[in-house]
Formats: sequence, C-alpha cells, structure tokens
Amino acid sequence: QQQVKQSPQSLIVQKGGISIINCAYENTAFDYFPWYQQFPGKGPALLIAIRPDVSEKKEGRFTISFNKSAKQFSLHIMDSQPGDSATYFCAASKNFGNEKLTFGTGTRLTIIP
Amino acid sequence: KAGVTQTPRYLIKTRGQQVTLSCSPISGHRSVSWYQQTPGQGLQFLFEYFSETQRNKGNFPGRFSGRQFSNSRSEMNVSTLELGDSALYLCASSLGADEAFFGQGTRLTVV
Repeated sequence: QQQVKQSPQSLIVQKGGISIINCAYENTAFDYFPWYQQFPGKGPALLIAIRPDVSEKKEGRFTISFNKSAKQFSLHIMDSQPGDSATYFCAASKNFGNEKLTFGTGTRLTIIP
Repeated sequence: KAGVTQTPRYLIKTRGQQVTLSCSPISGHRSVSWYQQTPGQGLQFLFEYFSETQRNKGNFPGRFSGRQFSNSRSEMNVSTLELGDSALYLCASSLGADEAFFGQGTRLTVV
C-alpha cells in the first residue's frame, strides 16, 4: 500500500523557472512532512519540512505548500538553477518525525539552460 | 562535525551468502534507521534502533536483521542473499524528532 503518492515522475524546467512537485498522503496520523534532495551517488539530504499546523513554509528559493483537508503538499522551487537538478523525495512521518519516514516514489528534476 | 559514515560503500556477494553492513551515526545521535532503496520500490524502511533497542520495524522478511551497540554504531545483516536484495542500503541518524541525516549508502550487488 503506497501511502504517499508523488508526481510527476520526471520534470524538465528551464533555468529561472518554477519547479513544482506534488505529493498526496492517505494516513491522517502523519504530522511531519519533509522533502529530501538526492544527487547521484549520495544519500538523501533534508531540504525543508513542514508540520500540519501551518499551510506554507519558505526557506530561500524552496517553499512547501500544505493542504490538510486535501491531504496534499507540494514543493515549489523558485528561480530553478542547473544545480537543482537532482531527484526529490517527499516523505511523511508520525509522532512529529519520531517514527519511520514513508517516502514518495521520487521526481527526477532536470533544469535546462 | 562528521556525517553519517557507512561501510563498505560497495559490495558484491553471491546468492545464498550473508552480508553485514555498518553505520556510524553522527556523534550524539542515538537513533539509527535503515532504508533500502531500489529503482522499483523506492525508499523503504527496514528498522530503527534507539539506545540499542529496536524501536520500529518495516515489512521485510526475517533474513534482514540489525543491531545497535552502546556507542550507537549499528550493523545490519542480510542472510541467505537473493538477487532481489540488490539495492542501495541507507542509514540515517537523528537526535529524535525531525531531521534524519543520511549516509551515502552501501551499494549491494547480489550475483
């Protein structure tokens, strides 16, 4: 049972554009929603995370939008740069991150000049 | 501050053999989690250890086991290897809630 659905599977965006990746979850007990960035040959690295008491969180060019009623959250990358080309994973956890992370299937993002 | 260290980085094993992977967490982190990453199944949770006790367990067969030592270092063991066990095995450490820091992983190939 896939508890976190992520789309699209791959995404090509021009440099300077906005990259948008979407995730939907089923388990209403989830209360911690991080996004991870993974480069080839590396482990995932935390980009930004949100808890359901806020609808948006921004850190630099990265923004998470969260819709609790729709059970959806998304990552927006503003002014996308070639260095942002990587695979992005959304995830969800219970107990404010104290329990296991359930990951989405990943989005391969390519930023073209 | 040193990150999460996993050894070895690469392994090739034969079907039926067993393998042990090692993870040294960030200093002071007492929680260590293991994940399996494959192209088909993505990132899947194996188990989590906290203060030498298994706190959470994923849906993997009993051939997958782990342990944690008093210095928080952790090992995972896979016995009777199958071709389908070929994957990137990732270890993550954390203080508790929130951010989990991942190592670079051990790439296991079963032939």
